[in-house]
Amino acid sequence: EAGVTQSPTHLIKTRGQQVTLRCSPISGHTSVYWYQQALGLGLQFLLWYDEGEERNRGNFPPRFSGRQFPNYSSELNVNALELEDSALYLCASSLRQVSNQPQHFGDGTRLSIL
Amino acid sequence: QKEVEQDPGPLSVPEGAIVSLNCTYSNSAFQYFMWYRQYSRKGPELLMYTYSSGNKEDGRFTAQVDKSSKYISLFIRDSQPSDSATYLCAPEGGGATNKLIFGTGTLLAVQP
Repeated sequence: EAGVTQSPTHLIKTRGQQVTLRCSPISGHTSVYWYQQALGLGLQFLLWYDEGEERNRGNFPPRFSGRQFPNYSSELNVNALELEDSALYLCASSLRQVSNQPQHFGDGTRLSIL
Repeated sequence: QKEVEQDPGPLSVPEGAIVSLNCTYSNSAFQYFMWYRQYSRKGPELLMYTYSSGNKEDGRFTAQVDKSSKYISLFIRDSQPSDSATYLCAPEGGGATNKLIFGTGTLLAVQP
């Protein structure tokens, strides 16, 4: 069974640019989560999508946004990139949230802002 | 005060040792507790998933939750060099948030 897949694996951008990160969940999973893992800050929750809707949002500015497609894949968009956005962006997926289900992570996209 | 506190280590042990990794948390609403293992340049890998207080065993790994003291532990028996990684505790945020609140992670090195 394929795990969570993310693309691209690495990205280099400059301040002010925009970026789109992509995630394909495990087959059968309908919930997708995005986390940011910045150096020294640990993993922080960004967004949760389920059935195409945004269900919860972490403490991040509006320039972080995303969407979930009918096939349950997801995109994370970051506008007006800042230096502190340099981090590993991790996507996770889980089964439908009829009860608490464990989240399974991909290997992330490493974003570097110059 | 952070919601989840975890000693960052590094923790160095000889091969075959019993390893104890610990976290404390502040929010009594947490009901589900996860432990993840993260190798360098990889995503977190789910190791253990427990609900409420008690113990759960899976092979060489035992997860323990004490909700009365807000303390969670992961024990690794017969540790191997391949266990060398960062271990992250992650309670689930409670309510309908579905967000995981991660500790900073403990870096473990098992010496052959």
